[in-house]
Amino acid sequence: QKEVEQNSGPLSVPEGAIASLNCTYSDRGSQSFFWYRQYSGKSPELIMSIYSNGDKEDGRFTAQLNKASQYVSLLIRDSQPSDSATYLCAVGGTSYGKLTFGQGTILTVHP
Amino acid sequence: SAVISQKPSRDICQRGTSLTIQCQVDSQVTMMFWYRQQPGQSLTLIATANQGSEATYESGFVIDKFPISRPNLTFSTLTVSNMSPEDSSIYLCSVGNQGNEQFFGPGTRLTVL
Repeated sequence: QKEVEQNSGPLSVPEGAIASLNCTYSDRGSQSFFWYRQYSGKSPELIMSIYSNGDKEDGRFTAQLNKASQYVSLLIRDSQPSDSATYLCAVGGTSYGKLTFGQGTILTVHP
Repeated sequence: SAVISQKPSRDICQRGTSLTIQCQVDSQVTMMFWYRQQPGQSLTLIATANQGSEATYESGFVIDKFPISRPNLTFSTLTVSNMSPEDSSIYLCSVGNQGNEQFFGPGTRLTVL
């Protein structure tokens, strides 16, 4: 059983649209949640961290967390071709410092 | 965030040999981790590199195959021993902060022939 699952991709959206990426996790004790962006051939880059229920906005990115439903999402508004990448959801569990990563969702934004 | 470097950036090695990957951070950090990312896959944690003590390995990874050193708070090495083609992967080190955020080095792309 996978501990962190992301919606299967690839996801393709037109430029200017909202891209919605979803992630569920199995450990109810999880306390920290992250979204990473990984361009092809590059290492993952942290783009959002969220720790409490609700929404967190940073520029065009909004992370949403619902601990009761064990669900975290990332919305990208006004999607740009430069947003085309693999997005990884990561969850911090009860073991300090350790993260568990989802399998990733490939996002393509087409002009 | 900390600046993280890894050496080598890539290597091609022969079956049965070993490769040591270095990870250097420009500031002292408590938490350092080593991951593997196989082609087209997500990240799998190999171990947590503990300063001054033995690394903590995840299920499926053993010290004989992946010995790790952490001599101080800015440096760690991962050795991939007795390599086989199945070890071909990208190896990433990361550093963690108090908020559980992790930041990754550029990675080492290993090909085993």
